[in-house]
Amino acid sequence: DQQVKQNSPSLSVQEGRISILNCDYTNSMFDYFLWYKKYPAEGPTFLISISSIKDKNEDGRFTVFLNKSAKHLSLHIVPSQPGDSAVYFCAGMNYGGSQGNLIFGKGTKLSVKP
Amino acid sequence: GAGVSQSPSNKVTEKGKDVELRCDPISGHTALYWYRQSLGQGLEFLIYFQGNSAPDKSGLPSDRFSAERTGGSVSTLTIQRTQQEDSAVYLCASSSGNYNEQFFGPGTRLTVL
Repeated sequence: DQQVKQNSPSLSVQEGRISILNCDYTNSMFDYFLWYKKYPAEGPTFLISISSIKDKNEDGRFTVFLNKSAKHLSLHIVPSQPGDSAVYFCAGMNYGGSQGNLIFGKGTKLSVKP
Repeated sequence: GAGVSQSPSNKVTEKGKDVELRCDPISGHTALYWYRQSLGQGLEFLIYFQGNSAPDKSGLPSDRFSAERTGGSVSTLTIQRTQQEDSAVYLCASSSGNYNEQFFGPGTRLTVL
């Protein structure tokens, strides 16, 4: 049973345009969502997060939107840059239950073409 | 500053052998997590240590997997009688508290022949 789903394994975007990465979840107990970015041969690095009581969080070129009723979140990157090319993982966390371990999706590989 | 380190970076072993994977967390971080990423899959939670509390082993896939954390710092993940399906990248992460940002190491790529 996949609690966090990233249905697009890959996405290709032109430099300067917007990248939109999508994530769906089934566990209504999640109260925090995070996006991690992973380059080859490196561990994931934290990118941006959002609390379940918010619907938007913005940090520079990165914005995460949360639609709780649809159990859907998305990461927007604008403008996209070639250095953004990486695998992006969406993760959910249940403060009350899991002691902080993250439940990850399978990731979306973003390619930003110059 | 020093981040999370893991060793070895790559490990090739024969089916049935035991392996040990090591994680050195960021100094002072009380929480330590092990995850693994199998081919085409997301990161799967394995085990969690927090201070001197009993570890949360709920993610370990079988009793062939075990982990310990000595002195609240270095952790070792042991896989006994390895199987081909154990082939994956094993990632360690640490954080300064239960729900704080997790910092990941580069991982150990395990290949079981």
